[in-house]
Amino acid sequence: DGGITQSPKYLFRKEGQNVTLSCEQNLNHDAMYWYRQDPGQGLRLIYYSQIVNDFQKGDIAEGYSVSREKKESFPLTVTSAQKNPTAFYLCATAGGDRPYEQYFGPGTRLTVT
Amino acid sequence: KQEVTQIPAALSVPEGENLVLNCSFTDSAIYNLQWFRQDPGKGLTSLLLIQSSQREQTSGRLNASLDKSSGRSTLYIAASQPGDSATYLCAVRGTYNFNKFYFGSGTKLNVKP
Repeated sequence: DGGITQSPKYLFRKEGQNVTLSCEQNLNHDAMYWYRQDPGQGLRLIYYSQIVNDFQKGDIAEGYSVSREKKESFPLTVTSAQKNPTAFYLCATAGGDRPYEQYFGPGTRLTVT
Repeated sequence: KQEVTQIPAALSVPEGENLVLNCSFTDSAIYNLQWFRQDPGKGLTSLLLIQSSQREQTSGRLNASLDKSSGRSTLYIAASQPGDSATYLCAVRGTYNFNKFYFGSGTKLNVKP
């Protein structure tokens, strides 16, 4: 977990509602990432950002949006267009003294009914 | 596209046993490989990182090896303990797309007292 916080830990939403997941870091890392994890599967990349005001789509960006207005923050919005949003969402960073490693936050479990 | 496979999906061993977890990848053009531990409902904790030019890394009872030419990495855990019970994931970082990490689906380890 270290200097990466994700809130809330659990989130419940009704189908058709947009929801925003928070990711904040105090590691002064340049790169930030959002992953989705489903039971028994590996992590899949949703979006990543290398610098402020710039971000790129990952492998499963459809139905998601992000912003990177500050170095410390990389919020993820799950829109109503995401067909199967229930999952465990993980935020990660990379940079600083060990730019080749990824560091992960504690995750947010989103349940949409 | 890079594919990462971890076999077996689950492993149960008695306490004290030495064990090996396997990770294989299809594209040998990797920048590095990272091993993580994940406890239930938690984020990922980095265990070891091996750069593509290295053959192995050690930390305490853990030893990770890398054979790029055959597309394989192993994580060796010596004298296993019940506290080692967790899911272990490997991830490779591409050479051509430095911003992408490809994850295996993990091996769930249970060390019985």
